[in-house]
Amino acid sequence: QVQLQEWGAGLLKPSETLSLTCVVSGGSVTGYFWSWIRQPPGKGLEWIGEGSHNGYTSYNPSLKSRVAVSVDTSKKQISLTLTSVTAADTGVYFCARGATRFDIWGQGTLVTVSS
Amino acid sequence: QSVLIQPPSLSAAPGQKVSISCSGSYSNVGNNYVSWYQHFPGTAPKLLIYDNNKRSSGIPDRFSASKSGTSANLDITGLQTGDEADYYCGTWENGVTTRRVFGTGTKVNVL
Repeated sequence: QVQLQEWGAGLLKPSETLSLTCVVSGGSVTGYFWSWIRQPPGKGLEWIGEGSHNGYTSYNPSLKSRVAVSVDTSKKQISLTLTSVTAADTGVYFCARGATRFDIWGQGTLVTVSS
Repeated sequence: QSVLIQPPSLSAAPGQKVSISCSGSYSNVGNNYVSWYQHFPGTAPKLLIYDNNKRSSGIPDRFSASKSGTSANLDITGLQTGDEADYYCGTWENGVTTRRVFGTGTKVNVL
């Protein structure tokens, strides 16, 4: 059974860089798209971006200038980097398998941006 | 940010039916597959429906979905207290670049 677990720094100051990692267990990262999705407090889901093992990436246009997603097949990890964070980047960050549909999700990790 | 519109909340008694609408446009719902997710806050969201109307593995047939034009619907029949959760539709939007999009979310309350 494939499981995803996100981890990374939970508290950031404005202008810092958010770095999160999603570890995949019980399955392969090869042959799938992997996505990052976030949920601001009290709001709905927002797609951040996606990547695959061959270097393919696609990003939400509203975040494109600040975001990067990478897939490490040897470590079975998916990484997210978001630069120059502000309070608006506060929320729960999920990694998920898929692109046109997300069939497996992690539990999510809370990231708070505050001075 | 959400381009797909859902009712904020719906309520019904156990055993009854709720229908959650997801309203989009030609560039998203109208031309692409819709999926539906169930989310209990603090947990991992779960894929219920994909490709407009296909149930994900292990999802009971109390959950069904359809799509017509630029709108999609998720029906939950025989409502149970354990169905009280947030529900989101999702698809992608065609344009200069493809963007994955979600609905605004619907909180289903079981009275």
